[in-house]
Amino acid sequence: AQKITQTQPGMFVQEKEAVTLDCTYDTSDPSYGLFWYKQPSSGEMIFLIYQGSYDQQNATEGRYSLNFQKARKSANLVISASQLGDSAMYFCAMREKGYQKVTFGTGTKLQVIP
Amino acid sequence: EAQVTQNPRYLITVTGKKLTVTCSQNMNHEYMSWYRQDPGLGLRQIYYSMNVEVTDKGDVPEGYKVSRKEKRNFPLILESPSPNQTSLYFCASSWTGGTGELFFGEGSRLTVL
Repeated sequence: AQKITQTQPGMFVQEKEAVTLDCTYDTSDPSYGLFWYKQPSSGEMIFLIYQGSYDQQNATEGRYSLNFQKARKSANLVISASQLGDSAMYFCAMREKGYQKVTFGTGTKLQVIP
Repeated sequence: EAQVTQNPRYLITVTGKKLTVTCSQNMNHEYMSWYRQDPGLGLRQIYYSMNVEVTDKGDVPEGYKVSRKEKRNFPLILESPSPNQTSLYFCASSWTGGTGELFFGEGSRLTVL
């Protein structure tokens, strides 16, 4: 079974609209971390947001928020007020087993339309 | 400036010619790891290291070797590269505590002919 599943290979969103990128995960480890990274066309990996498995509240970082539903094993990224610069590949990732193992999803390519 | 530095950034080589991709970080991170990125597959962990002289296999270790003799350096060695190792490679480091956010190098694009 896939440990991290991103079911949306590509998405379009209108500028200034909100968009949700889906991520589901699978682990038996009670302690894990969930991350979202952005990869623009230039190729670098940019950390966006983190959610710990024991965190009670959803993480937020500026226009990014993580909708963490532990029972459903989902960790969706919400980007509010999309900007043209948000056009990029987005990866969901999980660290488990004492944070040694890192698993990435296959990514979602987001394109923001003016 | 805090950074992870990989070299070379681009390399074209031939099957069987040993090569090393270097990775160095200046943040005193305990944890370092290597990933390969292939279209449609995302990033896959090759090897990781929790500290000096402590390394372990990730999900796709075949054909690769690593060593961690110093805390700041974590080179990736391809003893006998093959065309299926053509990929974009990323080195990353992090603390072993806290959020565990990974700090990535800029990537190394390797082509094996």
